Amino acid sequence: GDSVTQMEGPVTLSEEAFLTINCTYTATGYPSLFWYVQYPGEGLQLLLKATKADDKGSNKGFEATYRKETTSFHLEKGSVQVSDSAVYFCALSSYSGGGADGLTFGKGTHLIIQP
Amino acid sequence: EPEVTQTPSHQVTQMGQEVILRCVPISNHLYFYWYRQILGQKVEFLVSFYNNEISEKSEIFDDQFSVERPDGSNFTLKIRSTKLEDSAMYFCASRVQVDSNQPQHFGDGTRLSIL
Repeated sequence: GDSVTQMEGPVTLSEEAFLTINCTYTATGYPSLFWYVQYPGEGLQLLLKATKADDKGSNKGFEATYRKETTSFHLEKGSVQVSDSAVYFCALSSYSGGGADGLTFGKGTHLIIQP
Repeated sequence: EPEVTQTPSHQVTQMGQEVILRCVPISNHLYFYWYRQILGQKVEFLVSFYNNEISEKSEIFDDQFSVERPDGSNFTLKIRSTKLEDSAMYFCASRVQVDSNQPQHFGDGTRLSIL
């Protein structure tokens, strides 16, 4: 079955540091890939997505590139802020034809940014 | 911006009791989902729902669980005879159409505590 593997947290960085959160996946077919973010006390918010190989999703300074050859979708940001502190989830969706597949999530990576 | 709303935000229930978690999906969305996140673990897919019937369900979604869209706006998850291990955060999500490129929009979740 489908699976998503993320680097374990917590990841602690100083403000303005460069961020990489690794994500690799296993899936049949050609999944769509997503990063969701969960701020403290809130639900899951879509951060960015990519739907085919070599697509780059970007939002709020975050980027991730769909790499089919390495089955990866690593999240990056050039300069993090304290407000980026949250839990980040990598997820995939495999379109089975019925159009109603649930998302498969990674375990989440807790990011802590210190001033 | 329209959002998915879930009530209550926190539900405390005695073991063996029935509980109903409520969700109001985004109004023009057609696909509805429930997910579960046990504390410290990954977000897990439970069930998807379209056209007034279950489209897909995971192994977790056994006979103890049921979903319903009782009217044009609400989408509910019922757990019969709750167990301690049902304690988790339950997220509702909705999506506008069949294309898996369209993201799922999540509510803030209901924290279910079984005593």
